Amino acid sequence: AQSVAQPEDQVNVAEGNPLTVKCTYSVSGNPYLFWYVQYPNRGLQFLLKYITGDNLVKGSYGFEAEFNKSQTSFHLKKPSALVSDSALYFCAVRDNAGGFKTIFGAGTRLFVKA
Amino acid sequence: DTEVTQTPKHLVMGMTNKKSLKCEQHMGHRAMYWYKQKAKKPPELMFVYSYEKLSINESVPSRFSPECPNSSLLNLHLHALQPEDSALYLCASSLGLAMYQETQYFGPGTRLLVL
Repeated sequence: AQSVAQPEDQVNVAEGNPLTVKCTYSVSGNPYLFWYVQYPNRGLQFLLKYITGDNLVKGSYGFEAEFNKSQTSFHLKKPSALVSDSALYFCAVRDNAGGFKTIFGAGTRLFVKA
Repeated sequence: DTEVTQTPKHLVMGMTNKKSLKCEQHMGHRAMYWYKQKAKKPPELMFVYSYEKLSINESVPSRFSPECPNSSLLNLHLHALQPEDSALYLCASSLGLAMYQETQYFGPGTRLLVL
């Protein structure tokens, strides 16, 4: 069965510092991995996805993610954090057994301090 | 237009009420989803419609009744809900053709409180 794990409930970083939000996955077959962000009382916004190709995926708002097959990881990164990046981040994998299901990680709350 | 809209934004209802949530998209997407999200938790899939046909029902209680009148519209009819049904209800859509690779686009959600 497909699954994703986000080992950190919360990540704290100072504004201007690089940030990393971790995600590991377990899938059978090819992984289709996604990152979403959720601001308070809002829906999820798509940031980026890995389907195939380059291991470094660039997304919205300056975010990028590195796909590492040997470590089964898909960590989200940003070179310089902004206070406005503070939000809840979800890593997700599409269920390649059925296609319609998206399996979400538990979420990581990012706090960026000014 | 990459927007999914949901109405109402907030809804308070009693346990004997009947209400409906509405979701709309005009991106030509043929797959539409309902999710339930509790505070600080990931979204939980409830229903999936593909080409206006119900494809997935994740063992949701019958007090939740989905409806897809056309390819742009998705409704969730609510009846005799329980307080534990209070949550953020999210609608999403995707193209529906190359499923595994597709991005889901989410609406802002309806915040439901059942008294």
